[in-house]
Amino acid sequence: SQKIEQNSEALNIQEGKTATLTCNYTNYSPAYLQWYRQDPGRGPVFLLLIRENEKEKRKERLKVTFDTTLKQSLFHITASQPADSATYLCTFRTGTASKLTFGTGTRLQVTL
Amino acid sequence: NAGVMQNPRHLVRRRGQEARLRCSPMKGHSHVYWYRQLPEEGLKFMVYLQKENIIDESGMPKERFSAEFPKEGPSILRIQQVVRGDSAAYFCASSDEGKNIQYFGAGTRLSVL
Repeated sequence: SQKIEQNSEALNIQEGKTATLTCNYTNYSPAYLQWYRQDPGRGPVFLLLIRENEKEKRKERLKVTFDTTLKQSLFHITASQPADSATYLCTFRTGTASKLTFGTGTRLQVTL
Repeated sequence: NAGVMQNPRHLVRRRGQEARLRCSPMKGHSHVYWYRQLPEEGLKFMVYLQKENIIDESGMPKERFSAEFPKEGPSILRIQQVVRGDSAAYFCASSDEGKNIQYFGAGTRLSVL
């Protein structure tokens, strides 16, 4: 079955550094991937979408890459701030179906 | 421009009671999705609805769970005869006709005593 894997261990980094989160998927070739942010007790918030024909997508301090050969997406936050601390979710949708398949998310903690 | 609205935010039920969770999609959105998030687990798809139609219910438990999205009013996720294992956060999302991006509500946290 289609599966998304994200590092379940929390990522701790210092303020100002670049955070890199990894998302690997198996048994599927999604047309695009999406990244969401989720804060404790809140719903996921959409951040970025990257299509299979795009190698990289940027939005302010955020950058996402999509390697269809490796079946992997990397999510980068540059110049990280304590306010970036949250759980980041990788997800994809099939080309025709509408449901999103989520990874378990990676918790990012940015310290001063 | 209000986002996806879910209520109640917190719901406490005793075993055997019914739980009704409501979701009003973003203005202009006609597609609604329900997801469940168990503690320390990822979001799991439950059901996808358009106005008056269930499009995909492949993630719904076969018994006790039902969903609707009437022509007028919010979408409702109904859980009959709740059990402790139903305790979770239930999230609703909505999208427009393009369906690429789903916008989530703040969720309803159901606790079954």
